[in-house]
Amino acid sequence: AQKVTQAQTEISVVEKEDVTLDCVYETRDTTYYLFWYKQPPSGELVFLIRRNSFDEQNEISGRYSWNFQKSTSSFNFTITASQVVDSAVYFCALSGSTGGFKTIFGAGTRLFVKA
Amino acid sequence: ETGVTQTPRHLVMGMTNKKSLKCEQHLGHNAMYWYKQSAKKPLELMFVYNFKEQTENNSVPSRFSPECPNSSHLFLHLHTLQPEDSALYLCASSQDPTGGVNTEAFFGQGTRLTVV
Repeated sequence: AQKVTQAQTEISVVEKEDVTLDCVYETRDTTYYLFWYKQPPSGELVFLIRRNSFDEQNEISGRYSWNFQKSTSSFNFTITASQVVDSAVYFCALSGSTGGFKTIFGAGTRLFVKA
Repeated sequence: ETGVTQTPRHLVMGMTNKKSLKCEQHLGHNAMYWYKQSAKKPLELMFVYNFKEQTENNSVPSRFSPECPNSSHLFLHLHTLQPEDSALYLCASSQDPTGGVNTEAFFGQGTRLTVV
């Protein structure tokens, strides 16, 4: 079975703080993909990153960085120097060959960034 | 127009009404999806269409009826819904994932449905 766990339901930080959103996944597939999406108050999910299971390199994009560790089945997301505009719900997702590459989403983490 | 567009953005309907949600994508994708997002619940995949063919029905009640006339349009027909069906309904599209190379999904802004 495939599963994505985002243990943090809500996180509240003050602007300019760094914050890490945790994501732990379960899969028996050797080929799978991991994603992060952002859902601002407007509703649509905005794609942030895709990572395949064979690429464990960490990635940095501006203030965003991702730490993929297969040994702990984690794909954590860090926002550096958070801003009010980062306030949103963030979803981690998994898609694997066993499930026909159907995307499974975590429950999401709601991030509040206060000015 | 670009991206994934959903209409209407908000819908209030009675339990005996019939309504339809519409989704349109201009990304050249072959797969389209309906998701349901209820308060305090994970995103639930409802239906998947690949190349206009339904490939997934995630045990969705028959009061939800999808239709995919072409690879750019997806509808969700609603009939005799219950108050617990009130949720945000999100449409998404992606390249056909069954070839083993999965791409990210692009989402519309959703239809906020309230059943009264």
